[in-house]
Amino acid sequence: SAVISQKPSRDICQRGTSLTIQCQVDSQVTMMFWYRQQPGQSLTLIATANQGSEATYESGFVIDKFPISRPNLTFSTLTVSNMSPEDSSIYLCSAPPGYSSYNEQFFGPGTRLTVL
Amino acid sequence: RKEVEQDPGPFNVPEGATVAFNCTYSNSASQSFFWYRQDCRKEPKLLMSVYSSGNEDGRFTAQLNRASQYISLLIRDSKLSDSATYLCVVSSGGYNKLIFGAGTRLAVHP
Repeated sequence: SAVISQKPSRDICQRGTSLTIQCQVDSQVTMMFWYRQQPGQSLTLIATANQGSEATYESGFVIDKFPISRPNLTFSTLTVSNMSPEDSSIYLCSAPPGYSSYNEQFFGPGTRLTVL
Repeated sequence: RKEVEQDPGPFNVPEGATVAFNCTYSNSASQSFFWYRQDCRKEPKLLMSVYSSGNEDGRFTAQLNRASQYISLLIRDSKLSDSATYLCVVSSGGYNKLIFGAGTRLAVHP
């Protein structure tokens, strides 16, 4: 399995500001993913963080709002830009172990974001 | 129609009961199937992968019917510690995209 850490674990932010969430994996992985879990709901994939190229965004999510970096095979960041209260959510990163693409994914502990 | 649909729950069962969760998926090209468990205010954790032949891990049995696009999870001899939300998850696409069901909440009581 992969051990995944995220920073910060939680934050309370003002409307209009931006927050960058960091995700660190303890081993090199091909794929990293960012999910959102809104209160009382299940997880929704935001984007796939590709090493060496731009992230691939899912329908309803755009790069201007959720810019993503993937500088190497163990690290990624997600920025929530120009936040509004509707962005209050838990943001989770995940990765399948190693270089396999079709295995299960392991999740970081999540970042609980509250926007006032 | 949602890509992955689950029993809405919640399921409230006594200790020792057997409980079954069902899940259907809409994309016939889906390649991998999982059950995850999520405790309150925690990240999802893999419970088990689901194989076409069916698989068992202790008190947990998962089955997959590709023809019906149906996945199930059976929990025998429920424990208080089994109380959680169980997420049916399907992987499809060329880059291991996971699609999550809405989850079924299980509450096991003494």
